[in-house]
Amino acid sequence: SQQGEEDPQALSIQEGENATMNCSYKTSINNLQWYRQNSGRGLVHLILIRSNEREKHSGRLRVTLDTSKKSSSLLITASRAADTASYFCAPLSGRRALTFGSGTRLQVQP
Amino acid sequence: NAGVTQTPKFQVLKTGQSMTLQCAQDMNHNSMYWYRQDPGMGLRLIYYSASEGTTDKGEVPNGYNVSRLNKREFSLRLESAAPSQTSVYFCASSAGTNNQPQHFGDGTRLSIL
Repeated sequence: SQQGEEDPQALSIQEGENATMNCSYKTSINNLQWYRQNSGRGLVHLILIRSNEREKHSGRLRVTLDTSKKSSSLLITASRAADTASYFCAPLSGRRALTFGSGTRLQVQP
Repeated sequence: NAGVTQTPKFQVLKTGQSMTLQCAQDMNHNSMYWYRQDPGMGLRLIYYSASEGTTDKGEVPNGYNVSRLNKREFSLRLESAAPSQTSVYFCASSAGTNNQPQHFGDGTRLSIL
């Protein structure tokens, strides 16, 4: 199984700004998933993008996938203090279990 | 809906003691997983069960055993706890292993002295 590498490791923005975080992976995938983890809690699934999709939206979230560059990005628009969390990507290849990188720690200042 | 329930939430052990972490899901999911998360790190897969009756090793299985008791329950056992196993342990479940999101419990915080 492979894990994604999130970039940047940490990001601090003001409320109302957009936050962009990136994920790179090494081998071909079936899909890529993004998760959020609030402090002291388990991961929460945000969005799944399949390998034949280029962009997907869910509320204030926009995910893109570029399989030629083996990369994905997560954009959070009009961020809120409640978006403060760690964000993880999880690329999935074949019938294997997900693995996770170290994540991007997002701090949204009110 | 309870989702994924882990017990206990906190535990302190002495080196060499044994312990079983419990996990149950009420979503009728086929697949279940155990992860550990060390400070400032991502999650590392310990074991998973793609379906009832099967278990497979993940990235860091040494020092752990698992039991898929039935479709709902997946337990993780530390036979002889070591300080290096101090971590937060997360259980997750999904409908299947492919193209399916995982649902996580809130973790068990385990300290081994």
